[in-house]
Amino acid sequence: IAGITQAPTSQILAAGRRMTLRCTQDMRHNAMYWYRQDLGLGLRLIHYSNTAGTTGKGEVPDGYSVSRANTDDFPLTLASAVPSQTSVYFCASSPSGANTGELFFGEGSRLTVL
Amino acid sequence: GESVGLHLPTLSVQEGDNSIINCAYSNSASDYFIWYKQESGKGPQFIIDIRSNMDKRQGQRVTVLLNKTVKHLSLQIAATQPGDSAVYFCAEKGYGQNFVFGPGTRLSVLP
Repeated sequence: IAGITQAPTSQILAAGRRMTLRCTQDMRHNAMYWYRQDLGLGLRLIHYSNTAGTTGKGEVPDGYSVSRANTDDFPLTLASAVPSQTSVYFCASSPSGANTGELFFGEGSRLTVL
Repeated sequence: GESVGLHLPTLSVQEGDNSIINCAYSNSASDYFIWYKQESGKGPQFIIDIRSNMDKRQGQRVTVLLNKTVKHLSLQIAATQPGDSAVYFCAEKGYGQNFVFGPGTRLSVLP
């Protein structure tokens, strides 16, 4: 069972470039999330989706966009990357659309913006 | 905004001793709490959860204690092993809200 698959694992990106981080889950979970992890700040929610076709803003949404065309995929796009978006990005999912219960995390995507 | 924090950023314990990792939360309306373990280079993994109608819950070698009076959460690991070395996060949520994570505590197990 794959669970959550994220791609790429690591990427170095020039400032101003567009970048999409991919996230796919095979657990048929309703809810999906994107977090960024920075040293000393823990995990901060960027965007979330409680069910296919809906999305919402988290704590730090600026500079990011998401879409949820189907249950399995939840890509995160940086339209014009800036150095402050250098971080490790984690995609997660949970079974319930009401954001209850355990979160299942991917292995992360390390992004460096120069 | 609401916040979840940890009292100590690092904790070192001898192999075989018990570990206690603490967490303070600020949202008195939070009714669900989870502890996660994150090993180097990996995503967080669920350890144990507790709802606000409980004050203690036990798992395999782990116990979570919840003190709602002082808004404090702790994770106790019995007979700490080298494989327990990781960063531990607490997370809280209230009804209709998203999870809020603390900054994490790094647990190092000494031989």
